[in-house]
Amino acid sequence: GAGVSQTPSNKVTEKGKYVELRCDPISGHTALYWYRQSLGQGPEFLIYFQGTGAADDSGLPNDRFFAVRPEGSVSTLKIQRTERGDSAVYLCASHTGSGANVLTFGAGSRLTVL
Amino acid sequence: KQEVTQIPAALSVPEGENLVLNCSFTDSAIYNLQWFRQDPGKGLTSLLLIQSSQREQTSGRLNASLDKSSGRSTLYIAASQPGDSATYLCAAISGSARQLTFGSGTQLTVLP
Repeated sequence: GAGVSQTPSNKVTEKGKYVELRCDPISGHTALYWYRQSLGQGPEFLIYFQGTGAADDSGLPNDRFFAVRPEGSVSTLKIQRTERGDSAVYLCASHTGSGANVLTFGAGSRLTVL
Repeated sequence: KQEVTQIPAALSVPEGENLVLNCSFTDSAIYNLQWFRQDPGKGLTSLLLIQSSQREQTSGRLNASLDKSSGRSTLYIAASQPGDSATYLCAAISGSARQLTFGSGTQLTVLP
């Protein structure tokens, strides 16, 4: 696609529920990142994919968070047993995987855990 | 661990003023430094990327500088306009994953 697409744009869920957030990167971009942005803060790195594999998942806060990218394009961020502290905007970004590293960000998925 | 700090957290200026936003980072072993703009409820728009071998980049009324030795970058906005009102974020690109470490941003308001 022309840009990075993220769905849903807004998600409201109850504490303890399971949530999936989807990212559709720019076609041909091999590198994909997930970030989390809390109110008034800059985005925080969660995980980086190069192709299908998670090259760096050091930013995932705990084992309730998991992400996949099975075919090297669309990625899904999965959050189990959601907690109120998980409420944030989850941003996805992609780039070509080489060169100057200019990331293109999606508009984000705003997650609210009640 | 890379840490990025932006000062001030908020800034309000009258239209037409030139202004400077500051960014500092703790680890000088960066690949690039990138400035973004974020409008309320929106994603991030890349403004300028400065590679580690460069000292500055310019785009229109924007000029970004990089001093790796002192761990600082500045974003200069000339002749500010109300449409420039947004949050400006800087991010240092480092690590094997080339991940961005962001500052908390400077919220800019340009008054007409």
